[in-house]
Amino acid sequence: SQQGEEDPQALSIQEGENATMNCSYKTSINNLQWYRQNSGRGLVHLILIRSNEREKHSGRLRVTLDTSKKSSSLLITASRAADTASYFCATAADRGSTLGRLYFGRGTQLTVWP
Amino acid sequence: DTEVTQTPKHLVMGMTNKKSLKCEQHMGHRAMYWYKQKAKKPPELMFVYSYEKLSINESVPSRFSPECPNSSLLNLHLHALQPEDSALYLCASSQVSGAGPQHFGDGTRLSIL
Repeated sequence: SQQGEEDPQALSIQEGENATMNCSYKTSINNLQWYRQNSGRGLVHLILIRSNEREKHSGRLRVTLDTSKKSSSLLITASRAADTASYFCATAADRGSTLGRLYFGRGTQLTVWP
Repeated sequence: DTEVTQTPKHLVMGMTNKKSLKCEQHMGHRAMYWYKQKAKKPPELMFVYSYEKLSINESVPSRFSPECPNSSLLNLHLHALQPEDSALYLCASSQVSGAGPQHFGDGTRLSIL
């Protein structure tokens, strides 16, 4: 399977703390994306990092990508209760018949306590 | 508010019913997607339309029938569904079919009795 694997599956922290989620994948990629899903809602695209990039920032989000280890991490700094959600990594293939597909990881459920 | 609108938000149907899910986007995107998501699982791709043509069918049973009447609309016709088809059905769109970010609607919560 080309699906990513995320860890941890669940993470519980206090407001103000940082949250780190990891994602590993198996095949070569064009890019890796992170999405957030609040309970009962659709997925929201957070950030995209291309295979030739190593780090990217967006507000309180920092994403790293290590293509040699086929892994990525998402860091949320100074977390807030509103960050409580499921977070999914998704890899986009770089060629061939898999173009157009995103392969989603199992997700990390983040709970931020006030 | 999401830019991809899905209706209805909730649907309960019997196994012999015929119903349709609708999805609309006005972002000028030329690729549209249907996903199925079970509780506490990632979305599973069902279909991809690129420039109004079906480009990917992930071996979905024929009781699910997609339709793309124009570049803004995507339908999923349902017939003779099974209880295991109960799930959240998500529609998404992207500028073109490929590796770019996808914009998701809030889904239709489908329950099969």
